[in-house]
Amino acid sequence: AQSVTQLGSHVSVSEGALVLLRCNYSSSVPPYLFWYVQYPNQGLQLLLKYTSAATLVKGINGFEAEFKKSETSFHLTKPSAHMSDAAEYFCAVSDQGTGGTSYGKLTFGQGTILTVHP
Amino acid sequence: DAGVTQSPTHLIKTRGQQVTLRCSPKSGHDTVSWYQQALGQGPQFIFQYYEEEERQRGNFPDRFSGHQFPNYSSELNVNALLLGDSALYLCASSFGGTQYFGPGTRLLVL
Repeated sequence: AQSVTQLGSHVSVSEGALVLLRCNYSSSVPPYLFWYVQYPNQGLQLLLKYTSAATLVKGINGFEAEFKKSETSFHLTKPSAHMSDAAEYFCAVSDQGTGGTSYGKLTFGQGTILTVHP
Repeated sequence: DAGVTQSPTHLIKTRGQQVTLRCSPKSGHDTVSWYQQALGQGPQFIFQYYEEEERQRGNFPDRFSGHQFPNYSSELNVNALLLGDSALYLCASSFGGTQYFGPGTRLLVL
């Protein structure tokens, strides 16, 4: 079974500071990994994804994540936080679904709420 | 290009009732997945539909059922509602790849 652990349910940073959100996964097969962001009272928006190509993945809004197989980690970073980055962030893992190339179900972590102080 | 849409946005039901939630996938997408997100939790996978058939199912009771129509839209039905079914229900669509989420339907069971 696959699982995701997000270390830190709440992270607080100052505007302009480095953002680091931690994600560790468990998977018996090569995983596909995702980061999604959720703003209050909204659905999930895809930030970036890892699908066995480059280990350093760049996403939207200046976010990036590095896949480290030896550490089973996929931490999300942003060099300089902006007030608009305040939201809840979810790391998710997927296996290859049935029927060929389609991704299977997503297994999510518990989420990390990011607060950005002026 | 419209993204994933869901209806209704909010719903209030009482215990024992039945509810139907609806999802229209992103244009060109043929696969629909449903997730339940309880307050303060990450989304939990309910099931996935492809070619009008349930392809994968999570650890949810048979009270949760679904359907996919020829136009790829989908419904989630929940029978005999319990207080614990109160949650945000998210629909995601995909075409052989990344899942894109709708805004969700917030269900409150009283």
